[in-house]
Amino acid sequence: RKEVEQDPGPFNVPEGATVAFNCTYSNSASQSFFWYRQDCRKEPKLLMSVYSSGNEDGRFTAQLNRASQYISLLIRDSKLSDSATYLCVVRRSNSGYALNFGKGTSLLVTP
Amino acid sequence: NAGVTQTPKFQVLKTGQSMTLQCAQDMNHEYMSWYRQDPGMGLRLIHYSVGAGITDQGEVPNGYNVSRSTTEDFPLRLLSAAPSQTSVYFCASSPPLAGGKYEQYFGPGTRLTVT
Repeated sequence: RKEVEQDPGPFNVPEGATVAFNCTYSNSASQSFFWYRQDCRKEPKLLMSVYSSGNEDGRFTAQLNRASQYISLLIRDSKLSDSATYLCVVRRSNSGYALNFGKGTSLLVTP
Repeated sequence: NAGVTQTPKFQVLKTGQSMTLQCAQDMNHEYMSWYRQDPGMGLRLIHYSVGAGITDQGEVPNGYNVSRSTTEDFPLRLLSAAPSQTSVYFCASSPPLAGGKYEQYFGPGTRLTVT
């Protein structure tokens, strides 16, 4: 079983829609959680860290459920510029700096 | 700051050839790593380094060597290229973990094709 699993999509949504992505992780020793964004043929970039209490950054909200080993990302009022692949990323407590990446969820926001 | 730079951007190799992918960062980060990204596979860790002179294997190290003689540079060597090594290679660096905040900065990638 892959350590980090995501629905690959694609998610096709109209501008202004709200869309949610989910991610599950298999290792209960996982300690840090992130969402990265990757544009086509570009490098991944950190979108936001995910904290136990949940956190919000503008139109983006991330939630963590440690009991269910589940992470989510909610995007409100989608913009065309949100079209990208969203990577769920997990760091185990005993892995130092090494990150485990999900395969990514593809989002296409249409006019 | 240039951040993380990688050269070359594109490379085509014949099976059996060797080459070095270059990675440099100017942020004085101790931790550096190499990933490969294949369609449908996500990013997989090849090798990483926690400081000059210290390297270790990641998830898919076979066929690759690394060294870390300086904080700035972390080259990845393909010893004898195989078609299975056709991929996009990303180098990343990160500052020390601090208060739960942690971010890896990625270079723009090297697109390698082995024929």
